[in-house]
Amino acid sequence: GESVGLHLPTLSVQEGDNSIINCAYSNSASDYFIWYKQESGKGPQFIIDIRSNMDKRQGQRVTVLLNKTVKHLSLQIAATQPGDSAVYFCAVQGYSTLTFGKGTMLLVSP
Amino acid sequence: DTEVTQTPKHLVMGMTNKKSLKCEQHMGHRAMYWYKQKAKKPPELMFVYSYEKLSINESVPSRFSPECPNSSLLNLHLHALQPEDSALYLCASSPPAGEKLFFGSGTQLSVL
Repeated sequence: GESVGLHLPTLSVQEGDNSIINCAYSNSASDYFIWYKQESGKGPQFIIDIRSNMDKRQGQRVTVLLNKTVKHLSLQIAATQPGDSAVYFCAVQGYSTLTFGKGTMLLVSP
Repeated sequence: DTEVTQTPKHLVMGMTNKKSLKCEQHMGHRAMYWYKQKAKKPPELMFVYSYEKLSINESVPSRFSPECPNSSLLNLHLHALQPEDSALYLCASSPPAGEKLFFGSGTQLSVL
């Protein structure tokens, strides 16, 4: 089965810094990856996704990078704001199932 | 409407109670899901409905009983739960199965 891990349980940054959250996956056949943000007491919120035919995808202040060679993806948040404080999950989408990584808590201090 | 709506937001129940969690979406999505999430853990898949038929049951105990009355509604019937079943229960939907999931805000369940 799919195994999805994250390298760091907690990431503390200063407001205005760029944040990078990393994720590793195990199944080289995986072809659809999603980043979710979960604030306390809320459900996961879609941030950005990427398919395996791409290496990079950009959204508003967020960029996802996919390295299929080493089975690694990352989420970059530019100019991190206090409102970005949350738990971030990478997830690998299978046919009917979404496998979540363990999550990284992003703490943004003013 | 791009929301998945879950009710109630909070639920406290005893081990002998019967209760139901409800989920609704009006995005025309054809797959709906129940996830369970314990504190500081990722969501864990419980059930998947695809085109109103149960397609995945992740070996969930029978005290949890899902129901999909129509393509917009998903229920989770609870009976004789245990304290360890206390968790955040999340509903999600996707256009078909295999596309990105949209989550509701969840029901925080406490079993006493």
